[in-house]
Amino acid sequence: AQSVAQPEDQVNVAEGNPLTVKCTYSVSGNPYLFWYVQYPNRGLQFLLKYITGDNLVKGSYGFEAEFNKSQTSFHLKKPSALVSDSALYFCAVRDAPEGQNFVFGPGTRLSVLP
Amino acid sequence: KAGVTQTPRYLIKTRGQQVTLSCSPISGHRSVSWYQQTPGQGLQFLFEYFSETQRNKGNFPGRFSGRQFSNSRSEMNVSTLELGDSALYLCASSFGTSGGGGEQFFGPGTRLTVL
Repeated sequence: AQSVAQPEDQVNVAEGNPLTVKCTYSVSGNPYLFWYVQYPNRGLQFLLKYITGDNLVKGSYGFEAEFNKSQTSFHLKKPSALVSDSALYFCAVRDAPEGQNFVFGPGTRLSVLP
Repeated sequence: KAGVTQTPRYLIKTRGQQVTLSCSPISGHRSVSWYQQTPGQGLQFLFEYFSETQRNKGNFPGRFSGRQFSNSRSEMNVSTLELGDSALYLCASSFGTSGGGGEQFFGPGTRLTVL
């Protein structure tokens, strides 16, 4: 069975500092990994995904994520946080075999302090 | 290109009633998934449809059902509403076959309140 863990409910960083939002996963096959962001009263917005290839994936709004197969992790990073990055972040995994649905992590609330 | 649209955006019902929510995917997308989002349980997968066929179903009671039409629009229905069904219901569409590496595009959600 697939599962996703986001070990931190809340992450606080100062504006201009680097940020990391952690995600670990468990799948039986090869993972498809995704990050989404949710702003208040809005649906989820896609940030980036890892399917195959380079372990460092670049996405929207200056975010990037590093796939680490040995640690089964897919942490989201940004070199310099903005106050407008404050939102709820979800990591999701989809097991490569056909027919598997997305599984989302519980979410991490990021607060960027001015 | 228009995004995923969901109607209605807000809904208030009473216990025992039934409700139907609608989702129009992005043009060309054939896969539609539904999720329930609550503060306590987070995002929980309800079901996925591809080309009018249910491909996956989450762990929800039979009161929750859905369908997809030939134009890929989807509806979900909840019968005999319970207080615990109050949630944000999100629809997501993706291009291509289910199980693929394509990302999902989410609608703004329907906020259902059951009194």
